[in-house]
Amino acid sequence: DIQMTQSPSFLSASVGDRVTINCKASQNINKYLNWYQQKLGEAPKRLIYNTNNLQTGIPSRFSGSGSGTDYTLTISSLQPEDFATYFCLQHNSFPYTFGAGTKLELK
Amino acid sequence: EVQLVETGGGLVQPGKSLKLTCATSGFTFSNAWMHWVRQSPEKQLEWVAQIKAKSNNYATYYAESVKGRFTISRDDSKSSVYLQMNSLKEEDTAIYYCTGYGFAYWGQGTLVTVSS
Repeated sequence: DIQMTQSPSFLSASVGDRVTINCKASQNINKYLNWYQQKLGEAPKRLIYNTNNLQTGIPSRFSGSGSGTDYTLTISSLQPEDFATYFCLQHNSFPYTFGAGTKLELK
Repeated sequence: EVQLVETGGGLVQPGKSLKLTCATSGFTFSNAWMHWVRQSPEKQLEWVAQIKAKSNNYATYYAESVKGRFTISRDDSKSSVYLQMNSLKEEDTAIYYCTGYGFAYWGQGTLVTVSS
C-alpha cells in the first residue's frame, strides 16, 4: 500500500498568512493527488485535483503543486473561513489512501 | 444540483449485517465510477470500495480490511450505489460516505456503529 505522510498535523496561523501543507507518498503517485477541506460535521470538499487543478468554485488563493512523491497545498492569504482540517488523497493505485490530516487553527 | 444521500446506517451488534444506500441526482450516474469511503471516530479517512461503470463491466475493488465481508453494487436505473456489510466488527464503526466523479462529489455520510 502507498503510505501518505502528511505534515504538519497541526498548524496555527493568522488571517492573511501564507501557509503550506505537505503530503509525501511512499512511492511515485504520478500526480494523482487530490486535496480536501473538511469542516466539523461536514463531508470533505475537493479543492484541488490531480496535483494542481483548481476545483470549480474554489477561490484562487488555493493552489497545489508537486510531482513524484512530494506534493504541496498552498493557501496564499488565509481567510476566516479557511480554518478547517485538510486531507490529501492519492488515487494512483489501489488501495487509494489518505493523509492523516492537517488541522489549521487560528493563532 | 449534484446530490448524494446516504441512508441505512445505525447501531448494529458485532457479526451482524447492514446495507447502506446512496441515492444520487444531478449528474450522469451511469458513467460514474463510485466509491465508499469511511471516516473513523479518530477522523482518519479510509477508502473502502469502488465500482466502475457498465462500460467497465461494473468492476469492483475493495480495501483488504473489508474484502470478503463487504459488497459494493449499483443500480443505474435508480442512480444508486449500495454497500452490503456482513460480519461487522467494532472497527467498522465510522461515518460512511459515498463519493464519485474522481472523489469530487460527496454525500453527507451515514453513521454506522458496531457495538454489543
